[in-house]
Amino acid sequence: DVKVTQSSRYLVKRTGEKVFLECVQDMDHENMFWYRQDPGLGLRLIYFSYDVKMKEKGDIPEGYSVSREKKERFSLILESASTNQTSMYLCASSPSGTAISYNEQFFGPGTRLTVL
Amino acid sequence: DAKTTQPPSMDCAEGRAANLPCNHSTISGNEYVYWYRQIHSQGPQYIIHGLKNNETNEMASLIITEDRKSSTLILPHATLRDTAVYYCIVRVYNQGGKLIFGQGTELSVKP
Repeated sequence: DVKVTQSSRYLVKRTGEKVFLECVQDMDHENMFWYRQDPGLGLRLIYFSYDVKMKEKGDIPEGYSVSREKKERFSLILESASTNQTSMYLCASSPSGTAISYNEQFFGPGTRLTVL
Repeated sequence: DAKTTQPPSMDCAEGRAANLPCNHSTISGNEYVYWYRQIHSQGPQYIIHGLKNNETNEMASLIITEDRKSSTLILPHATLRDTAVYYCIVRVYNQGGKLIFGQGTELSVKP
């Protein structure tokens, strides 16, 4: 089974803190994604990566950065957490090689982040 | 990506078939229809996809109309564990990158 794991299920941080969210996948997938999910807004893409050390901005990259030093690990960084970054953060991965496979994304369980 | 329209919520009795509709009237010839679902407090889960032929797997069946402007996801014998938000997504064949999840349909399976 494909496994996408996220470092924490729940996280509480204070405004201004630097926050690291870690995602690891064990299926040797090339593509990895970070989304956030908010009520009424659905899933929104923050960043994605199609290879080690490669990254692309999604729809809402402001206030976030990412790191992909190893193929299996994709980190999301909140440089200075703010209350409007309170959200559910979802990591996903997908294989490369065929276009269809881009669209079969495997998601982690999510991290519910609260910024006070 | 083509825009999709789904009813916000539906109910289904346990053991009965759940039929979830999706309209995608602006779909183009090289766009596939994908279905995902998200059970409460979990990440989304891929269910099935299709281009124009009907598709079936161990989870569900996908019926796409001949003009491809709409589709229906069928869960043949819904269980309480199928209670989730179901998302219909239309994607270009050779497009990578993000999935665009709309608001989806919240399916409640009741005993």
